[in-house]
Amino acid sequence: DTAVSQTPKYLVTQMGNDKSIKCEQNLGHDTMYWYKQDSKKFLKIMFSYNNKELIINETVPNRFSPKSPDKAHLNLHINSLELGDSAVYFCASSSRTANTEAFFGQGTRLTVV
Amino acid sequence: AQSVTQPDIHITVSEGASLELRCNYSYGATPYLFWYVQSPGQGLQLLLKYFSGDTLVQGIKGFEAEFKRSQSSFNLRKPSVHWSDAAEYFCAVGARAAGNKLTFGGGTRVLVKP
Repeated sequence: DTAVSQTPKYLVTQMGNDKSIKCEQNLGHDTMYWYKQDSKKFLKIMFSYNNKELIINETVPNRFSPKSPDKAHLNLHINSLELGDSAVYFCASSSRTANTEAFFGQGTRLTVV
Repeated sequence: AQSVTQPDIHITVSEGASLELRCNYSYGATPYLFWYVQSPGQGLQLLLKYFSGDTLVQGIKGFEAEFKRSQSSFNLRKPSVHWSDAAEYFCAVGARAAGNKLTFGGGTRVLVKP
């Protein structure tokens, strides 16, 4: 009955590869997010979708492409992985209409070698 | 643009002692304010939130926070710390006009001495 679930939890891959992280929420929220936490624990928003529409797109390399097939899912695809992409990626969801706080997934630790 | 500052990177406190974590924010309108806690290897759990109303907010695990508009602060407090409170604490400001995105402070790591 996990509210926001991400897969995989750990991802180790070589430079240049393409990888995806999946996120699903069962809270009925209309908005989903991707946040990146770097090695110094700093958290920064990357993207946000509201009802499958992209509403926030921070300064993120084009190699990162979010996709929202429906309101309950937001996936993150990363092309041509670089060492600097190593981080923990958090998915979150909230309800803009009900004005709730954000609920976070457990994170995906991506290590690029 | 919104911003959040947590001046203390590390705080060490003895078990049973009180704890206060500082948070200052910058935002042009009435802010939505949050405190999240992150245990090692875990996601972020909401401790408490302020949207409007009473400026003293009660949260889970015995935490409380006070919104002070005049000081642009939202400090987190706990009267008596337990060893399980050792974690990283993040203050965040939310902007409804910006898709409810959260801007986080740099975090404060709390260490609890026996």
